[in-house]
Amino acid sequence: DAKTTQPPSMDCAEGRAANLPCNHSTISGNEYVYWYRQIHSQGPQYIIHGLKNNETNEMASLIITEDRKSSTLILPHATLRDTAVYYCIVTKGGTSGSRLTFGEGTQLTVNP
Amino acid sequence: DTGVSQDPRHKITKRGQNVTFRCDPISEHNRLYWYRQTLGQGPEFLTYFQNEAQLEKSRLLSDRFSAERPKGSFSTLEIQRTEQGDSAMYLCASSFPSGAYNEQFFGPGTRLTVL
Repeated sequence: DAKTTQPPSMDCAEGRAANLPCNHSTISGNEYVYWYRQIHSQGPQYIIHGLKNNETNEMASLIITEDRKSSTLILPHATLRDTAVYYCIVTKGGTSGSRLTFGEGTQLTVNP
Repeated sequence: DTGVSQDPRHKITKRGQNVTFRCDPISEHNRLYWYRQTLGQGPEFLTYFQNEAQLEKSRLLSDRFSAERPKGSFSTLEIQRTEQGDSAMYLCASSFPSGAYNEQFFGPGTRLTVL
């Protein structure tokens, strides 16, 4: 799986958009970008994934650059409950994927 | 609640003892994964099963560790002769991959402390 690089920490004001960047310059053509988050003392939680098109669900939006070497996770209106470690993971999709390789992630702190 | 469950949630043991953890995946999921997480680090992959077959094991899974999924449903992870370095959170996840989709659903974890 391709390696990812994320900033170790970010702050965001409550109600504002949180934009979390991720670099994955060695991503292969058949690898997807997945985002998970881990709230303190809980198991990781899936947020969103994408291949090359931008994706949106009820939790977040994922913007992937045209060359697929980087992406940004957007939480449109951050709340205090979004304070967590966010992990960007590159892996094959579907039945070709198996292990998730977590880095150290980005600690997002949402401030009141 | 039909999520992934793990038992026990906390385990304190003395060095040299054996411990066993249980994971119950989401019922229709055919894949089950074990990860280990130490303080301040992201989870690290240990092993995974597809149905009852153990398809991949990490080099982290020393010969003191063994995992089983005998009927393709629940799984157990046993650590023999525990060491202080085994102290960590042990996470279980399950999935049912299809198409491009392989979302893993994680349980709450078992926190192991080896004294």
